[in-house]
Amino acid sequence: NAGVTQTPKFRVLKTGQSMTLLCAQDMNHEYMYWYRQDPGMGLRLIHYSVGEGTTAKGEVPDGYNVSRLKKQNFLLGLESAAPSQTSVYFCASSDREVVDTQYFGPGTRLTVL
Amino acid sequence: TQLLEQSPQFLSIQEGENLTVYCNSSSVFSSLQWYRQEPGEGPVLLVTVVTGGEVKKLKRLTFQFGDARKDSSLHITAAQPGDTGLYLCAGISGTYKYIFGTGTRLKVLA
Repeated sequence: NAGVTQTPKFRVLKTGQSMTLLCAQDMNHEYMYWYRQDPGMGLRLIHYSVGEGTTAKGEVPDGYNVSRLKKQNFLLGLESAAPSQTSVYFCASSDREVVDTQYFGPGTRLTVL
Repeated sequence: TQLLEQSPQFLSIQEGENLTVYCNSSSVFSSLQWYRQEPGEGPVLLVTVVTGGEVKKLKRLTFQFGDARKDSSLHITAAQPGDTGLYLCAGISGTYKYIFGTGTRLKVLA
């Protein structure tokens, strides 16, 4: 099992450009999450999903959109990137029965110039 | 806004020393977790503590949840270079509501 994978690993964008980050999990988990990690601020929840076709806002959702068309995939979109979105983005998933055990992907380092 | 403050932010110690990392908040959490994160990787869950006053041990690591469920500590005995990493606490206060701490970066020198 690959667990949770994220693509791409690194990306540099110019202000105003758009992009989509892909998260895939092969553990048949119901729940998936997108976080951003910034120095001195820990991880902050952007959006999450409790099942295929569902999404919900987390702590810092502004400027991001998400979609969960397939159970194994959770996409994070930036429609018009801003320098404030420079961060490391982590995807995680958890099982319905053990919701509190999250499995994290390796992260995507995004720089917006 | 709920916050989890960790201290110290940075810690550099010699192999064999003991250390304690603290995680403090003014909010009550239903449970609290500790993660370790290595460079270029995502956090990996070490432990979940649920009951106020609970103590859990994982080999040389001892985790304690405060009686009031607002704080926690992580104690490492006889630290080894393999313990090097970023340690994160995370409080859980509701379904899907994870509040992560600011992190403690530990470096253990051989």
